[in-house]
Amino acid sequence: RKEVEQDPGPFNVPEGATVAFNCTYSNSASQSFFWYRQDCRKEPKLLMSVYSSGNEDGRFTAQLNRASQYISLLIRDSKLSDSATYLCVVNGDYSSASKIIFGSGTRLSIRP
Amino acid sequence: EPEVTQTPSHQVTQMGQEVILRCVPISNHLYFYWYRQILGQKVEFLVSFYNNEISEKSEIFDDQFSVERPDGSNFTLKIRSTKLEDSAMYFCASSGQGAHSTFGSGTRLTVV
Repeated sequence: RKEVEQDPGPFNVPEGATVAFNCTYSNSASQSFFWYRQDCRKEPKLLMSVYSSGNEDGRFTAQLNRASQYISLLIRDSKLSDSATYLCVVNGDYSSASKIIFGSGTRLSIRP
Repeated sequence: EPEVTQTPSHQVTQMGQEVILRCVPISNHLYFYWYRQILGQKVEFLVSFYNNEISEKSEIFDDQFSVERPDGSNFTLKIRSTKLEDSAMYFCASSGQGAHSTFGSGTRLTVV
């Protein structure tokens, strides 16, 4: 099983739709979780951290399910500008940078 | 918003040559990182640096690679005797204590 696994997509949805991505991780001791967004040939940018209680930032909602070892990202009322690759990032150990594992990313394309 | 700055944005080098990739982390950050992303693949951890020394490195970061913080602001990655397979996007990142990483815009290295 991959350490961090994401559906590569692409997800192709119309503007205004709701879309959800899941990400699974293999290390049950993982400590912290993030969603990053990466535009084509650009650097990853933090979209949001993922907290145990779940958290929301505008149209974006992140959830963590420790029992099933997955995190999710929900995007409501999608915009054309949401088109990007969404990276799931899992930190297995606060003290260890090498335990920061990136998923391969899920490509999202929003069509008019 | 504070930024991580990387130069050059694109570097073309001949196989066997040495390259130095430069980064200026965010000024009050303590932890510095280099990541690599081969085109179409996932972001991979190379090395972390704290308190003027390497704190962790991955299997990718072999004797061909070295990092240095030559002064109070720059953080460099040196790649000796470059190979074709070193062609990738190299991202520098920095973070504060216990915080997420902020990435620079990357240096695209092309080895010909």
